[in-house]
Amino acid sequence: GENVEQHPSTLSVQEGDSAVIKCTYSDSASNYFPWYKQELGKRPQLIIDIRSNVGEKKDQRIAVTLNKTAKHFSLHITETQPEDSAVYFCAAPQSGGGADGLTFGKGTHLIIQP
Amino acid sequence: NAGVTQTPKFRILKIGQSMTLQCTQDMNHNYMYWYRQDPGMGLKLIYYSVGAGITDKGEVPNGYNVSRSTTEDFPLRLELAAPSQTSVYFCASRQTGAVYGYTFGSGTRLTVV
Repeated sequence: GENVEQHPSTLSVQEGDSAVIKCTYSDSASNYFPWYKQELGKRPQLIIDIRSNVGEKKDQRIAVTLNKTAKHFSLHITETQPEDSAVYFCAAPQSGGGADGLTFGKGTHLIIQP
Repeated sequence: NAGVTQTPKFRILKIGQSMTLQCTQDMNHNYMYWYRQDPGMGLKLIYYSVGAGITDKGEVPNGYNVSRSTTEDFPLRLELAAPSQTSVYFCASRQTGAVYGYTFGSGTRLTVV
């Protein structure tokens, strides 16, 4: 099965600065990499995802990059705002097409300092 | 559309008791999942289902059972509750075909004392 490692576990940045969270995966057949944001006491919510046939995807202030050769993908948040404070999880399919679920990283607690 | 609905939101069980966590989705999704989230940790897959009548074990199935008699419902059963099952439980669903992001329910916070 897939193994996903996520770093750092905690990230503190000044408001307005950029934040980068990195994940590595083990299964070279994995083809889909979502990122979830979870606010305290709430459910995880999908914020962006990328498929293995592209190297980068952007949505306003957030972007995800994928390096298939190195088997790692990263979440980039620019111009951080207080509402970006949350726990962020990366994930990859347990196997192949992902019908048998996603494997999640352990999460990164992002703290935006005013 | 209500999305994915979980009940109850909170529950305290005594050791050895049993309960069923309910999960219903109204999006006609074939794929459904149960995850548990322990404090400060990611989500671990308990069971999943790719359609009515089909279920399979995930990473941490011990102490749990599931059934999938309809497309909409995917209940999770805890038999003989143990303190190690204290966790937040999330149900999720997604479309078949290409890999799409999950829709999560709001979670059930379970404490076993």
